[in-house]
Formats: sequence, structure tokens, C-alpha cells
Amino acid sequence: ETGVTQSPTHLIKTRGQQVTLRCSSQSGHNTVSWYQQALGQGPQFIFQYYREEENGRGNFPPRFSGLQFPNYSSELNVNALELDDSALYLCASSLDQGGEKLFFGSGTQLSVL
Amino acid sequence: SQQGEEDPQALSIQEGENATMNCSYKTSINNLQWYRQNSGRGLVHLILIRSNEREKHSGRLRVTLDTSKKSSSLLITASRAADTASYFCAVDSGNTPLVFGKGTRLSVIA
Repeated sequence: ETGVTQSPTHLIKTRGQQVTLRCSSQSGHNTVSWYQQALGQGPQFIFQYYREEENGRGNFPPRFSGLQFPNYSSELNVNALELDDSALYLCASSLDQGGEKLFFGSGTQLSVL
Repeated sequence: SQQGEEDPQALSIQEGENATMNCSYKTSINNLQWYRQNSGRGLVHLILIRSNEREKHSGRLRVTLDTSKKSSSLLITASRAADTASYFCAVDSGNTPLVFGKGTRLSVIA
């Protein structure tokens, strides 16, 4: 167990809807990174939050947005859902923004119909 | 892309055999990490090797790093059915987030 929790574990939405995914980071960690993992692929970096500020973004459109709260928990919001957004969304926490090891949650499986 | 790329994509071995997976990358790195993922679950960190290290051990895991060839290998000795999972390498290049490859799917047959 990493101490990183994500909710919900599974979610079904229809195209055009909006979704919010949540992540509680491991105690003492101030950095949260979000990844999207399509079936059979590796995790793709969406963005990272460090001390409540966005600290890097991958090749994802603006309809993917996020927040980090003072307790370092985080949200990932996706607007105008598309079928291709169906994936496992992984949250990972770390101490500081450097390239040290990431502690992953178990993920949220999002299905867009 | 500085993304690590694992080879082979899939590997099937008998219990007790050794499993070797390789990772290649394209840029200079600060460190390289290996992660494991059971089906549909989160990734679990296995081992981190820094650019000035050549070999590292952790239990039945042995990781090597050759910065001149920009490659790394992960060896799992005396494999068990419970080692069945996907294994990913990830590179830290210092100014970018940790970037993952597509992974090697390992099946250990009892």
C-alpha cells in the first residue's frame, strides 16, 4: 500500500459529460502527478502540481484541468468527454517535484460511452 | 522523445527461470526507474538506479545501467507465478516529468 488513494475506482460517463477524479497524496508529499493509461499502453503524463501550482503539462488539451489543495490532495477534471478519454487515470504523489520515485494510487477506470 | 522503450513487449517463461527485460532511451538522464503493474492496478516502484551507478540489487531483482549505450536491463531471478505483471521503465531527465515506456508484459507459468 502506498498511502495514495483515488476515487472513484470505476466510473461510466457518456460523451460530452464532465468528470472529476480525486486523489489524496501520501502523507508528507507535496507533489501530485496525473497520468492517463490506455489499454495496453504505458502511462502518459497529463500534468503535475507542486504546492498548489501547475508545474508541467503533457500533450493534453485544455479540457483536461486540475487543482491541488492546501492539504496537497488533487482533482483532475475532464470536460466534454470523448470516447478516447476511456482509460485508467493514475495519480502519483512524490516528495518535491524532482525525479525521485513516484507513489501511485490504484487508479480510476473511466469508461466513456 | 526521452521516453524509455522496453523490449520485449511480451515475455512468457516457466516458474523458476530468470526473466530479463531491457529498456532503451535517447537522452541523458539523472536516474532510471523500474515499476511493476498488476493488471488494471496502480504502478509499484521497484528500483531506482542513478546515472553514476552501473548495477543495483534488490532481493531477486538486478538492474544494470549502461549510459554509453543508453540502456538498462531488469533481471528477475528464480521467477514465480506472482511475478506475472507488466514492467515499465521510466527515465528522469531532470527538467521533465517521469516518462514511461509501453512496458513488458511478463507471464510466469507455474
